[in-house]
This record gives sequence, structure tokens and C-alpha cells, in this order.
Amino acid sequence: QKEVEQDPGPLSVPEGAIVSLNCTYSNSAFQYFMWYRQYSRKGPELLMYTYSSGNKEDGRFTAQVDKSSKYISLFIRDSQPSDSATYLCAMSAYGNNRLAFGKGNQVVVIP
Amino acid sequence: DAGITQSPRYKITETGRQVTLMCHQTWSHSYMFWYRQDLGHGLRLIYYSAAADITDKGEVPDGYVVSRSKTENFPLTLESATRSQTSVYFCASSDGGNIQPQHFGDGTRLSIL
Repeated sequence: QKEVEQDPGPLSVPEGAIVSLNCTYSNSAFQYFMWYRQYSRKGPELLMYTYSSGNKEDGRFTAQVDKSSKYISLFIRDSQPSDSATYLCAMSAYGNNRLAFGKGNQVVVIP
Repeated sequence: DAGITQSPRYKITETGRQVTLMCHQTWSHSYMFWYRQDLGHGLRLIYYSAAADITDKGEVPDGYVVSRSKTENFPLTLESATRSQTSVYFCASSDGGNIQPQHFGDGTRLSIL
């Protein structure tokens, strides 16, 4: 079993819809959770960064962490064509400077 | 401009050749990382460095060599390139390891013929 599982998609949604992405993980030591957005032919850029369980909201983006279920989610409200990208989840444990990445989920927002 | 810069952006070379990918960051971050990204595998860590002159292996280090004589530079060398090393290579940096998130360059697209 891989440390981080992420359904690669692709996921196509109409403009204005809510996009829901998720990752599951197996390592209970993970405490830091990130979502990266990667446009075609660009590097991943940090979108959301959360510590431990709970919700974090930033504009149209909400990151949710449920440590009891080892499950994290990213929600994009009022999706725009500019949100079309690959979204990668990443996580790490305290004292470990490596990130464990999901394989990424491609999202296409159709105008 | 501040940030992390990778060069070259695109490279084509032949099997058996040595090739070096460059990475330069202007944030003075202590940690730097090299990843490769392949379809079906996602991002895989090749090597990382906690500070100048300190490097360590990641998940897929075979066939690669790194050095870090200065904090801002972290070159990755393929000593004898193989076709299986055709990939997109990303450099990243962070200030404080996993406590701070990593910031990525725009990658080098490497093709080995």
C-alpha cells in the first residue's frame, strides 16, 4: 500500500461547480498537509497548507483534514476555467523533511 | 528576481552522456530537493540537502549525483544518462525542512535518446 493514495482522475466539471478532491494516507505520523496546484509545463505551486485536523479556508478554496479517517480533501467553490490544472496532495510527519505526494488529480473546468 | 530557477528548461542528450541540471534559489532556504515526475509515478524524491555540504538520498537516487557547495545552488548530475532517466526534473527548496512547505521551480524537461 502506498503511503498516499490519490485518484488521478481526470475530473471534468462545468464552470461554477464545486470541485471536490481527496487523498487518503496510511502513515498516522503525518501532521502537515499541503495541496499543490500544477499548471501544464510549470512547477507545483503551494495552494493550501494545514497542520493537523480541521478546516482551512482561503477564498474559494477549503482544505479539510480528518486524521481519524486518514483523509484529506480540497474543495474549490465557484470553479473557473483558470482552475484547470493538476492538484497534488502532499504530507509529512514532524521531524521528517521529506514530503509524501499523491500522484495528482487532473481537473478540467469547462466554460 | 527572487525565487527558484532551473536551467536548462529543455535538454536532449544521448545515452551514456553526462548531463548536469542546475538549480538556484534566492531565498537562502536551508533545504533543497530534487524530484523527478513521471506519468503513473507522480513526484519521486531523488536527493535532498539540509545545508551546504550535507546531502542525502531520496527514493530513487541510483544514477544521480548531487553536490551543494553553496547554499543557493544544488546541481543534479546524471553521470551516464540512460533512457529510463527521461523525465521532468523539479528542484524545490524550503526553509526548515517539513515545518515549512516546499517551493518548486518550473522544471527541466530531459529527453535521453
